[in-house]
Amino acid sequence: QITLKESGPTLVKPTQTLTLTCTFSGFSLSTSGVGVGWIRQPPGKALEWLALIYWDDDKRYSPSLKSRLTITKDTSKKQVVLTMTNMDPVDTATYYCAHSADGSSGDYWGQGTLVTVSS
Amino acid sequence: EIVLTQSPGTLSLSPGERATLSCRASQSVSSSFLAWYQQKPGQAPRLLIYGASSRATGIPDRFSGSGSGTDFTLTISRLEPEDFAVYYCQQFGSSPLWTFGQGTKVEIK
Repeated sequence: QITLKESGPTLVKPTQTLTLTCTFSGFSLSTSGVGVGWIRQPPGKALEWLALIYWDDDKRYSPSLKSRLTITKDTSKKQVVLTMTNMDPVDTATYYCAHSADGSSGDYWGQGTLVTVSS
Repeated sequence: EIVLTQSPGTLSLSPGERATLSCRASQSVSSSFLAWYQQKPGQAPRLLIYGASSRATGIPDRFSGSGSGTDFTLTISRLEPEDFAVYYCQQFGSSPLWTFGQGTKVEIK
């Protein structure tokens, strides 16, 4: 049974760096083809893909946010970490992590965590 | 960058009716890399369809996907009360890796 859960701060101040952790179970991030991605959703708006890391440490980023994002994995801890620098109120959103069997879509998603950016 | 445009924005239907949702891409998309998700309020998205027409694990057969090139469709043959939700299409590309449409809300008429 594959499960994922996001954790991190619920409130960050403008200009701060956000660090989110996705802790997963039921699969290994060393299995060929597997990836874990991050997706966000501002309140009442559509989904926006942020980043994805593959089993072989290949990392992909949203072109519009690439300069602010870093994605890393710890295979033994079964965690994927996303950092986003220079947070702004427009970054207020629910942040999801998702498992992808081959990188093309998210077949299992975490429950999401709401991050509010406010002073 | 490929843009996905979903229509209509809102679909008002009654239980038992057929729902047809459209997803149009600004450039041709490989059918292997077009997915559909369902999202209910306060919940994470759930994968319904991948590869344009393959149902994900546990998805009822009233959900079907079709299409190719730039035009894709999600059909719900007979709406059940639990199907009223927002639906997103998503494509897998080179950069960005994933692109989502803006969503179609299926609401009870």
